[in-house]
Amino acid sequence: SQTIHQWPATLVQPVGSPLSLECTVEGTSNPNLYWYRQAAGRGLQLLFYSVGIGQISSEVPQNLSASRPQDRQFILSSKKLLLSDSGFYLCAFLMGETQYFGPGTRLLVL
Amino acid sequence: DQQVKQNSPSLSVQEGRISILNCDYTNSMFDYFLWYKKYPAEGPTFLISISSIKDKNEDGRFTVFLNKSAKHLSLHIVPSQPGDSAVYFCAASRESDYKLSFGAGTTVTVRA
Repeated sequence: SQTIHQWPATLVQPVGSPLSLECTVEGTSNPNLYWYRQAAGRGLQLLFYSVGIGQISSEVPQNLSASRPQDRQFILSSKKLLLSDSGFYLCAFLMGETQYFGPGTRLLVL
Repeated sequence: DQQVKQNSPSLSVQEGRISILNCDYTNSMFDYFLWYKKYPAEGPTFLISISSIKDKNEDGRFTVFLNKSAKHLSLHIVPSQPGDSAVYFCAASRESDYKLSFGAGTTVTVRA
């Protein structure tokens, strides 16, 4: 069966510090992968998606970037965090016509 | 530009009764519609979906109805149970890339 992992679960970072969030998927090969963010009290917004290694599409202009160095690994990064980057970050993979989500990373930028 | 809208931020229902959650969309190109359930500090869990070529899909206590002419879908939960208390998100995608557009969510509270 397919599983999706995200880490860390929680992260508190100072403004201006770098960021690296990792997502890995097991039990499937070459899945479409997605990064979403949920700001407090709001719905989920698509940030990036990838259809394969090294292939990244950015959905909204922002302070973040994404990379896919391996088939089942998706990384969300920032060189310098802003206060507005705080939120709940979710990774998802596509199976059939449905996306399945990981447990999420809560990021607080102070 | 919010393409998927859930206009009711909250819903309170008595245990055993029906919960009806509503969702409207603006993009007629959407092919696929999904409902997710989410608890605080957890990832969304997939509940049920419906293709644009259908008008109803049922899975146990959950039924989704799609009215394409009105660009409206609804989720019925019957009977409602205490464990159903959560935030429910409506989402839509296109077959070309399956990128999801989400509504803002409806918080359901099931009262004993």
